[in-house]
Amino acid sequence: DGGITQSPKYLFRKEGQNVTLSCEQNLNHDAMYWYRQDPGQGLRLIYYSQIVNDFQKGDIAEGYSVSREKKESFPLTVTSAQKNPTAFYLCAARQPGQGAGELFFGEGSRLTVL
Amino acid sequence: AQTVTQSQPEMSVQEAETVTLSCTYDTSESDYYLFWYKQPPSRQMILVIRQEAYKQQNATENRFSVNFQKAAKSFSLKISDSQLGDAAMYFCAYRSGDYGGSQGNLIFGKGTKLSVKP
Repeated sequence: DGGITQSPKYLFRKEGQNVTLSCEQNLNHDAMYWYRQDPGQGLRLIYYSQIVNDFQKGDIAEGYSVSREKKESFPLTVTSAQKNPTAFYLCAARQPGQGAGELFFGEGSRLTVL
Repeated sequence: AQTVTQSQPEMSVQEAETVTLSCTYDTSESDYYLFWYKQPPSRQMILVIRQEAYKQQNATENRFSVNFQKAAKSFSLKISDSQLGDAAMYFCAYRSGDYGGSQGNLIFGKGTKLSVKP
């Protein structure tokens, strides 16, 4: 079945360490997105990519980095510069021009900084 | 900038009853899309229903329907015959239309937690 796979589901990190969250999709969708979810905050956009080898900052990009070397992959690195990285991270994809342009989401990754 | 507001942090409904979740949005655009997503305890976001702004007819998906009031910038979700499995966080979301150079990202409200009582 087509979908979006995020790994790991749970991740613990010590302060000062970088960590990379994986996002893989087999939907053949061009656009991919990373959101951060905090309690009572809804979802906030970190980075997005509309095409391979191109990506743009979202509303809260500071302390994060991404790459888009392949259409199906859009990993997110949480760097030590991110002051409050403990959160739930959601990856999503969509195909521009298809339907109403809804996003399809992965199951998320929970990052906890110890 | 567009904003989405969900004024009800929590709601409760009796099983088999009907409940309406509120959502308002602010935009100067005429071309856009609106969505309701459900996030159960498993945390995966699931699309419930979508509405194109250019369509006057309210969208319906089985027990889920919307009341889309474009002039009032209101987009409420009605759940009929509520079931225990409907218990979840519900998020309202907005997307700019493609002709406005939309990047395709959704702008989300802060969510409404729905509880269903047996």
